[in-house]
Amino acid sequence: EAAVTQSPRNKVAVTGGKVTLSCNQTNNHNNMYWYRQDTGHGLRLIHYSYGAGSTEKGDIPDGYKASRPSQENFSLILELATPSQTSVYFCASSTSQNTLYFGAGTRLSVL
Amino acid sequence: GQQVKQSSPSLTVQEGGISILNCDYENDMFDYFAWYKKYPDNSPTLLISVRSNVDKREDGRLTVFLNKSGKHFSLHITASQPEDTAVYLCAAGETGANTGKLTFGHGTILRVHP
Repeated sequence: EAAVTQSPRNKVAVTGGKVTLSCNQTNNHNNMYWYRQDTGHGLRLIHYSYGAGSTEKGDIPDGYKASRPSQENFSLILELATPSQTSVYFCASSTSQNTLYFGAGTRLSVL
Repeated sequence: GQQVKQSSPSLTVQEGGISILNCDYENDMFDYFAWYKKYPDNSPTLLISVRSNVDKREDGRLTVFLNKSGKHFSLHITASQPEDTAVYLCAAGETGANTGKLTFGHGTILRVHP
């Protein structure tokens, strides 16, 4: 049974629209992360969280916000989506011991 | 600058051969090093990891070698098989920072030909 679940799995959005990507984990891990994967760039960290109520900027936070309302849930919000945000987004959870457990990914296309 | 680098975007190996994947890093504070495997349209999964207090770790066909003075670590896959064909991502992080967050390389596509 998947311990990190992302929704939606696929999303098409219009430029300037608002997009919310959701992530739920049943690992009871304190730390959660949002990465994006692009050809030639590997995985790049957007935002992460130490626990409920906490959000921190990763390496490429511009254009994104994050929300961690509970231990289990971590959302990534694109207030004004742009075509450059077309990508595959991965959510992950971990303890402080570094092993990341990834969700299946969300493929986002911004037209 | 890029903190974790995989200089080879791709590698092709014959079945039964040894695959050697390389990774360089810049941050002296990194003390955790890992290799993740990713199939197309799937999520990355941890293959093997090592902490800085050792310079080698074996797990079946997989061995990680760590050279801290050279800021370099590598993954050796012996007896490579076609099902090893995938993208391999190296990653590094700081355990002391208590965040668990990792910095990834761009990935190396490994192709194992029968």
